[in-house]
Amino acid sequence: AQSVTQLDSQVPVFEEAPVELRCNYSSSVSVYLFWYVQYPNQGLQLLLKYLSGSTLVKGINGFEAEFNKSQTSFHLRKPSVHISDTAEYFCAVSDLFFVGGSQGNLIFGKGTKLSVKP
Amino acid sequence: DAGVIQSPRHEVTEMGQEVTLRCKPISGHNSLFWYRQTMMRGLELLIYFNNNVPIDDSGMPEDRFSAKMPNASFSTLKIQPSEPRDSAVYFCASSLKGGQGSWGYTFGSGTRLTVV
Repeated sequence: AQSVTQLDSQVPVFEEAPVELRCNYSSSVSVYLFWYVQYPNQGLQLLLKYLSGSTLVKGINGFEAEFNKSQTSFHLRKPSVHISDTAEYFCAVSDLFFVGGSQGNLIFGKGTKLSVKP
Repeated sequence: DAGVIQSPRHEVTEMGQEVTLRCKPISGHNSLFWYRQTMMRGLELLIYFNNNVPIDDSGMPEDRFSAKMPNASFSTLKIQPSEPRDSAVYFCASSLKGGQGSWGYTFGSGTRLTVV
């Protein structure tokens, strides 16, 4: 069975500092990987996704993530954060192949709350 | 496309009353998911549908919860009777699942339910 672990529940940083939000996954098959962002009082929005190809994926708002198969990680990074990046970030994994009736369902991590301070 | 549309955005109801949450998925998407989000438990998958058929409802907390998808463009989540512990934000999401797996979900803005 797949699982996703987001190692930090809260990450406080100062504006313009770099940030890394960690995500590790476990799966017995090849996977797709996703990062979603949830701003206060809103739904989840797709930030970026890894399906295949280059292991460095660029998303919206200057975020990027690197897929590391050997370390089963998909950490999210931004070189310089803004106050507006304050939100909760969710890592998710999806299996690549059809398995019974659960083809490609996303498994979400518990989320990391990023708090950017002036 | 207007995205996934949920209604109402906010619902306040008294304990014991029936509550119905509504969702319109993105046109052409063939999978629909209902999630519940609370501070204590985070994001929980309640049920999902493939081609309007419920596939897995193991996340539905109790028999008080039921979900239907009468057609490809509409789904409801009903709680009857409602209890204060059902207070949460309920999200609907839709997805297009093809031969190579999931391409990610599109979430609605959620319904914030308060049961008093």
